[in-house]
Amino acid sequence: GAGVSQSPSNKVTEKGKDVELRCDPISGHTALYWYRQSLGQGLEFLIYFQGNSAPDKSGLPSDRFSAERTGGSVSTLTIQRTQQEDSAVYLCASSLGQGSETQYFGPGTRLLVL
Amino acid sequence: AQSVTQLGSHVSVSEGALVLLRCNYSSSVPPYLFWYVQYPNQGLQLLLKYTSAATLVKGINGFEAEFKKSETSFHLTKPSAHMSDAAEYFCAVSDREGFQKLVFGTGTRLLVSP
Repeated sequence: GAGVSQSPSNKVTEKGKDVELRCDPISGHTALYWYRQSLGQGLEFLIYFQGNSAPDKSGLPSDRFSAERTGGSVSTLTIQRTQQEDSAVYLCASSLGQGSETQYFGPGTRLLVL
Repeated sequence: AQSVTQLGSHVSVSEGALVLLRCNYSSSVPPYLFWYVQYPNQGLQLLLKYTSAATLVKGINGFEAEFKKSETSFHLTKPSAHMSDAAEYFCAVSDREGFQKLVFGTGTRLLVSP
């Protein structure tokens, strides 16, 4: 079946602009995670959605970062007023749900802030 | 707090040689442990996972890992390296409770020479 998909695959933006990154999880997966992979910080957790519960935002680095998940499926990660340090690969993962330990990752969105 | 340490940012082996990638974890509770592989410009692919069944875990592509609680280790091995194994490998740990966010090590790049 189809895996996790993310769009765009690459995004170049200017400092100060807003960007939206999209994630389509595997059908039937109720849990969705966003991670960031950067040279300086490695792979770090950003935010977690589980079903209709309030998301866990404990990994978001600043209030410029937000995410939503509509209809329990597609998720959008928004970065407002982008900074050069936001340049990274943003990875989305999904799993069957709480208690299911295996996360399946998408190919990522490579963001470059000029 | 959980953490993972991967010793060696780069490991070089010859084709046909033993592959050994080291991972030590720190966790106050029994963990789930994972190895993921990342090929250039791709997302993370699960190699194998430990969830408290057998301590010797076999994964895809001939890889295996052994959970050693006394050494807090989960090293990844493969008896004979192939050129196609060249990639970056990440060890990760997650809680058994809660939403099981992954905490990643810094990664080890495996280089395979002919």
